[in-house]
Amino acid sequence: NAGVTQTPKFQVLKTGQSMTLQCAQDMNHEYMSWYRQDPGMGLRLIHYSVGAGITDQGEVPNGYNVSRSTTEDFPLRLLSAAPSQTSVYFCASNPNLSTYGYTFGSGTRLTVV
Amino acid sequence: GNSVTQMEGPVTLSEEAFLTINCTYTATGYPSLFWYVQYPGEGLQLLLKATKADDKGSNKGFEATYRKETTSFHLEKGSVQVSDSAVYFCALMDSSYKLIFGSGTRLLVRP
Repeated sequence: NAGVTQTPKFQVLKTGQSMTLQCAQDMNHEYMSWYRQDPGMGLRLIHYSVGAGITDQGEVPNGYNVSRSTTEDFPLRLLSAAPSQTSVYFCASNPNLSTYGYTFGSGTRLTVV
Repeated sequence: GNSVTQMEGPVTLSEEAFLTINCTYTATGYPSLFWYVQYPGEGLQLLLKATKADDKGSNKGFEATYRKETTSFHLEKGSVQVSDSAVYFCALMDSSYKLIFGSGTRLLVRP
């Protein structure tokens, strides 16, 4: 049981480049979310999904796109990277239970130069 | 809107000292409350949770009690160890199943 798997673990991008951060879970969880972690700001929600085919914006969605074609996968796309998107990104999943909490991946450290 | 406020860190303690990290929340209704821990270079791990008023969550010697009257969920441990050094996040789950985090509190435990 792998839990939530994120790839890559590290990435350096040039300003204006695009890329996709991958997230996969094997627990059949309906809810999946993307967070970014910045020093002193905790974790902020970027986008989330309540099931395949359904996504919605979180607190800081600008510059990011998501899709959810399967229950297992929830990729995060950066369309045109900016230095302000330098951060650590976490994917998390929940089995549609308010008492369960979220299971987090190990994160992707992204640097935009 | 819903929010979580944590005491600012870092909190520096000697080994075997008593730990309290304060957490208060603002929310409609009665959300589930969580403490997560992040060790250096790692992701977040669920430490403990409480899902209704007066519930006490506990794990690895850590405890937190869901206090509706003071809208608080303070984290405590009677005797900290060097291995407890980490960043601790308080969080609530809103009615849409979104987790809302506090800003995190770094704990440093010295031998």
